[in-house]
Amino acid sequence: GQQVMQIPQYQHVQEGEDFTTYCNSSTTLSNIQWYKQRPGGHPVFLIQLVKSGEVKKQKRLTFQFGEAKKNSSLHITATQTTDVGTYFCAGQEYGNKLVFGAGTILRVKS
Amino acid sequence: NAGVTQTPKFQVLKTGQSMTLQCAQDMNHEYMSWYRQDPGMGLRLIHYSVGAGITDQGEVPNGYNVSRSTTEDFPLRLLSAAPSQTSVYFCASSYLPRGVEQYFGPGTRLTVT
Repeated sequence: GQQVMQIPQYQHVQEGEDFTTYCNSSTTLSNIQWYKQRPGGHPVFLIQLVKSGEVKKQKRLTFQFGEAKKNSSLHITATQTTDVGTYFCAGQEYGNKLVFGAGTILRVKS
Repeated sequence: NAGVTQTPKFQVLKTGQSMTLQCAQDMNHEYMSWYRQDPGMGLRLIHYSVGAGITDQGEVPNGYNVSRSTTEDFPLRLLSAAPSQTSVYFCASSYLPRGVEQYFGPGTRLTVT
C-alpha cells in the first residue's frame, strides 16, 4: 500500500538557524498536505500542494512539491522558539485516503 | 463554532474493559475520521465516514468499532481494551473526503493497564 516516509525524525537547531524536513511517497500523489502539532496539542493544517513543482511560501516557511509529485519539503528560515513542534506531511493518492508521515520533531534552542 | 470536540481528554482503562470515545463537530462536515498517534509512527487511520450511515475501515481498524447516526457525531468504541491500544486518539473532520484541510479535535489520551 501507499507509504509516506519523512526525515529526519528529530532535529534540534539553534534559534536563527534554518530547518528542513523531507517527505517521500512510494506512489504518485494527487496532493500533499502539511500539518504542525505543538507539544501537547493537535495537528493544525498549514498548507496543501497540488501542482507538480509547486512552491508556496508562508512568511518564513517554504513548501515545495516535487516535479514527479512523489516528494515534498518544508523549509523554515531563521527558526524561532515559536516554531517548536512536530511537522507532519500527509500524502493523498488519486481517489484514496490521506496517509501521514511519521513526522519531524523540531526543537529550537534559544 | 466549537469546531471538533472530543471527550474525555484522559482515560485509564483496565485490560478487557470497553469504552466509547466521543467526537462531535459543528461545521456540518460530511467526512469524519479517527486516528491514533503513537511515538515515531505518525497518525494512523482507524475508521472513517463519508456521511451519516456510512463508515469504512482505515489502516488499523482491529479492536475498534464506529457508527455514524448523525452528521455531527462519530463515536469510537473500544470493544475489549488491550495495552496495545494505549495511544493518543484524534478525531478529524473535513467537508470533503479528499483534497481539503482536515480539522482535528484536541485528542484523547488513553492508557490501558
